[in-house]
Amino acid sequence: NAGVTQTPKFRILKIGQSMTLQCAQDMNHNYMYWYRQDPGMGLKLIYYSVGAGITDKGEVPNGYNVSRSTTEDFPLRLELAAPSQTSVYFCASSYERRVNTQYFGPGTRLTVL
Amino acid sequence: AQTVTQSQPEMSVQEAETVTLSCTYDTSESDYYLFWYKQPPSRQMILVIRQEAYKQQNATENRFSVNFQKAAKSFSLKISDSQLGDAAMYFCAYRNTGNQFYFGTGTSLTVIP
Repeated sequence: NAGVTQTPKFRILKIGQSMTLQCAQDMNHNYMYWYRQDPGMGLKLIYYSVGAGITDKGEVPNGYNVSRSTTEDFPLRLELAAPSQTSVYFCASSYERRVNTQYFGPGTRLTVL
Repeated sequence: AQTVTQSQPEMSVQEAETVTLSCTYDTSESDYYLFWYKQPPSRQMILVIRQEAYKQQNATENRFSVNFQKAAKSFSLKISDSQLGDAAMYFCAYRNTGNQFYFGTGTSLTVIP
């Protein structure tokens, strides 16, 4: 049971490049989330999903896209990277039940130059 | 949107002593959940403790306990018998009925040997 896995761990992008951050979980969780954490700040929700085929925007969705074709995978796409997207990105998942606890991946540190 | 405020950017505690981290939140909902997460230098987010708003009894997990004051919208974390391994960033988080999470900006805890 690997929990929540994220790849890559680190990435440097040039302005205007695109990339996909991968996230997978093997706990059969319905809910999956993408957050970004800027230096000295808390986590901000980018997008979340309540199940395969269903996604919704969080607090800071601009510049990102997601898809959820399977229960296990929830990739985050950056289409035109900008320096403002330099951050640490966390994926998380949880069960759909009254008291659900999020399980976090190890994070991806992204730098846009 | 709900907001979570952690007014103490940094705290320190002597080893074996007790420290309390503060958290307040703003919401108009009556049904919600509150969490404390720990983030060590490894960046992994680790659940410390959680509290359901409908429960009056304060949650306890070993050396960690909370003081939940619903009317005051306050949710502080008490760490007893502090250990060197407790040194980390601590984030307070709020979860609404839509399963969206909101995080505070964090408190950096230093444990002094």
